[in-house]
Amino acid sequence: SYELTQPPSVSVSPGQTASITCSGDKLGDKYACWYQQKPGQSPVLVIYHDTERPSGIPERFSGSNSGNTATLTISGTQTMDEADYYCQAWDSSTAVFGTGTKVTVL
Amino acid sequence: QVQLVESGGGVVQPGRSLRLSCAASGFTFSSHAMHWVRQAPGKGLEWVAVISYDGSKTYYADSVKGRFTISRDDSKNTLHLQMNSLRAEDTAVYYCARVVEPATIGDAFDIWGQGTMVTVSS
Repeated sequence: SYELTQPPSVSVSPGQTASITCSGDKLGDKYACWYQQKPGQSPVLVIYHDTERPSGIPERFSGSNSGNTATLTISGTQTMDEADYYCQAWDSSTAVFGTGTKVTVL
Repeated sequence: QVQLVESGGGVVQPGRSLRLSCAASGFTFSSHAMHWVRQAPGKGLEWVAVISYDGSKTYYADSVKGRFTISRDDSKNTLHLQMNSLRAEDTAVYYCARVVEPATIGDAFDIWGQGTMVTVSS
């Protein structure tokens, strides 16, 4: 079965840039998307179709996808961005989520 | 506003059944594929099932195939998940979610409900 691998944790200082990777076989041939989930809340879509931001998502969130790796970048990270982040893609009529990354802003 | 509200969760014994519902409002429900996604306590997200916008196609995760059935009632703007032969490992918060692009099954989920907790325990 298809797997997406993310680093368990990423730490970033306020105002700096955080990059979260998502690795999967030929992931660049598929659309990748990213979700933010804060404790006790439902996931929120922050990037879809590799690079698109839903309305209401700040410009500091951006995405890319090439080869075997998709990347979510948070520029000028704010304390409110502290959350778990999950990538997601489709393979053989199955949605696959990444293992998740906890972003700590300190 | 666009909203999804799940219901039907609770505590159930192993081997028993439970039916979850998801009430949609604020958008044309019959134009969108709909999904169920679950999250076990302290764990990551796991996709469960999808039904196409017209109900003609359904797909399931291997972990629930043959035990769970996804269905929709467009007259009531409601999505269902019938869960049979429940196991302890089915314990999770269950979310319904809408696909961002109408008429597309395999796409990102742009609207999520608040979730309903299912606990399978004797």
